Amino acid sequence: QVQLVQSGAEVKKPGASVKVSCKASGYTFTSYNINWVRQATGQGLEWMGWMNPNSGNTGYAQKFQGTVTMTRNTSISTAYMELSSLRSEDTAVYYCARGDGSGSYWTHWGQGTLVTVSS
Amino acid sequence: QSALTQPASVSGSPGQSITISCTGTSSDVGGYNYVSWYQQHPGKAPKLMIYDVSNRPSGVSNRFSGSKSGNTASLTISGLQAEDEADYYCSSYTSSNTFVFGTGTKVTVL
Repeated sequence: QVQLVQSGAEVKKPGASVKVSCKASGYTFTSYNINWVRQATGQGLEWMGWMNPNSGNTGYAQKFQGTVTMTRNTSISTAYMELSSLRSEDTAVYYCARGDGSGSYWTHWGQGTLVTVSS
Repeated sequence: QSALTQPASVSGSPGQSITISCTGTSSDVGGYNYVSWYQQHPGKAPKLMIYDVSNRPSGVSNRFSGSKSGNTASLTISGLQAEDEADYYCSSYTSSNTFVFGTGTKVTVL
């Protein structure tokens, strides 16, 4: 069965960077886009960007241009999301999700990774 | 890209039907049939309920249905049940080759 397993919770200081991983199993990793979505406590979902694991091509929400980088290691079927210049407002649960159909919806999600930014 | 507009809350009694709206622009909701809906219970990852405006994934109850008119998409839950109490989010593809979520709607079963 399709599974996306994310790395564990992180605590970072303001100005630092964080890299969250998303290991895929149960399907051909390079055949489906990986998207990243975050959710601050008590807030709504926020789409951050997508990555094509086959080509490495990416597309980011304008808000995250310049601070987010999405990469992959196809040999271990793992996608990564790195967010730099962290601020307290970046404290959130970060999810990876597999793009299905035309990449327009997300059936399979990771369990979420809590990133806390605090001095 | 601004978030799509949803009502903050919608409520209904068991057995009733409710509808959640999701309003965008011609650059997102109105321009593409790529609207999806997600249900999220507290502390859980979102769950896909409707994709491509009106399609239901395998395993999702047929009490959930989706539609679209112009720049507004809608999710209808018929025969409301206690387990439907959750947050619901719409999402749309945009003309910038990105995606945007709605502001979210809390559904309460009275």
